[in-house]
Order: sequence, then C-alpha cells, then structure tokens
Amino acid sequence: AQSVTQLDSQVPVFEEAPVELRCNYSSSVSVYLFWYVQYPNQGLQLLLKYLSGSTLVESINGFEAEFNKSQTSFHLRKPSVHISDTAEYFCAVTPTLYGSSNTGKLIFGQGTTLQVKP
Amino acid sequence: DGGITQSPKYLFRKEGQNVTLSCEQNLNHDAMYWYRQDPGQGLRLIYYSQIVNDFQKGDIAEGYSVSREKKESFPLTVTSAQKNPTAFYLCASSSSTDPPYEQYFGPGTRLTVT
Repeated sequence: AQSVTQLDSQVPVFEEAPVELRCNYSSSVSVYLFWYVQYPNQGLQLLLKYLSGSTLVESINGFEAEFNKSQTSFHLRKPSVHISDTAEYFCAVTPTLYGSSNTGKLIFGQGTTLQVKP
Repeated sequence: DGGITQSPKYLFRKEGQNVTLSCEQNLNHDAMYWYRQDPGQGLRLIYYSQIVNDFQKGDIAEGYSVSREKKESFPLTVTSAQKNPTAFYLCASSSSTDPPYEQYFGPGTRLTVT
C-alpha cells in the first residue's frame, strides 16, 4: 500500500520570498509522483510529475520538485512566489507496476494551502 | 478542446432527494474517478471505473452509486442514504494502460443539501 504525507497544512509566505512545500511518501513498490494545484472553487491541475531519470523536475511557471529516493520525498519549491500562486497544492503517487492493486489510482496527501501575502 | 466537463457547477437539493452529478470526458480515457473534497480533508475516492460496464468502490462509497454505460460518461448519484452529502465533488479520468496514468480533473460540482 502507499501513503502520502504533506507535512504542512498551511504555509504563509510574503510575495517574492522562496517557498518549500514538503511531501513524503511510503510505498513498497516504485511509484510515479505528482504535484497538483487547485485554485479556489476549481478542479485540480497537474503542476509537474516525476517518472524517471533526472531527479529534478520543473514546471513552466517556476516551480520545481526534487525526487529523493533515500528520503522518500518529493518536495516542491519556488525561489520567488507571486500573489497568483495562492492555492492548495496536493502531492500524489501511483504505482509504476501494472497489475498492482492501486494501478492507476492516485494516492493523495492532505494538501497544503499556500498563502502568499503582499 | 479535449477535457472533462462536470455539470452543473452549483447544485442545491433538499434533504431526502437523490441527485445525479454529470461527468463527461472526450480524452478517450478508459478510467474515470469520482472524488469528494471537504475542507481540511483532502480528496477521498468514492468510486472508480477502469472499463465500460465495470466499476469499483473507493474509500467512501456508502450512500453513492455510479454507472458506466459509455466510455465518455461516468455519472454519480448521491442518494438520500448519504448522511452528509454537502461537499465539492470532482471527477477525473486517466489512461488505465499507458503510464504514468496521470489524472485529468473536471472543474467540480459544489453540492449543497439543506
């Protein structure tokens, strides 16, 4: 079975400051990892994903996440946030192995609300 | 444009009434999912379907029912047996055969039952 822990439920930060949203996972099999973003009253949008290869993945809007296998983490970072980054962020995993009981199912963390203040 | 549509955006019902939420996708995905979102509780899986005419219960299926008669459609019925139906409902779809199985989400339906 898999589980995902997002260590902070809320992260307040001032505009133009750096931010890190933490995500740790537990799994007995290898997983794909995702970060989704949800703006108020909207659905979730895929922000970035780690499949294999380079452990650092980047999104088009300046976010990046680093996969750390030894620490089973996939923390999300941005060097300088904007007011428009205010949203809820979800970390999720799914098994890579086809035929696993959770194939295709996303296991989500509880979410982290990023509050960017002017 | 390919995507997932959910209708309506907002839905109001009286207690004791069944209500059906619509979810349609034109992404040619085999798998579809329904989630419930409550403040501070993240997303919880209600039902999912990996193929037409087949579906499985998720973590909180009690009080809900689904059907999957067409690949494009996966409606969710919130029955009167659901004790606390007021929530934000999200539908998603994904490929069930092509990794990494990333899910694409609809805009959601906010259901209020009074």
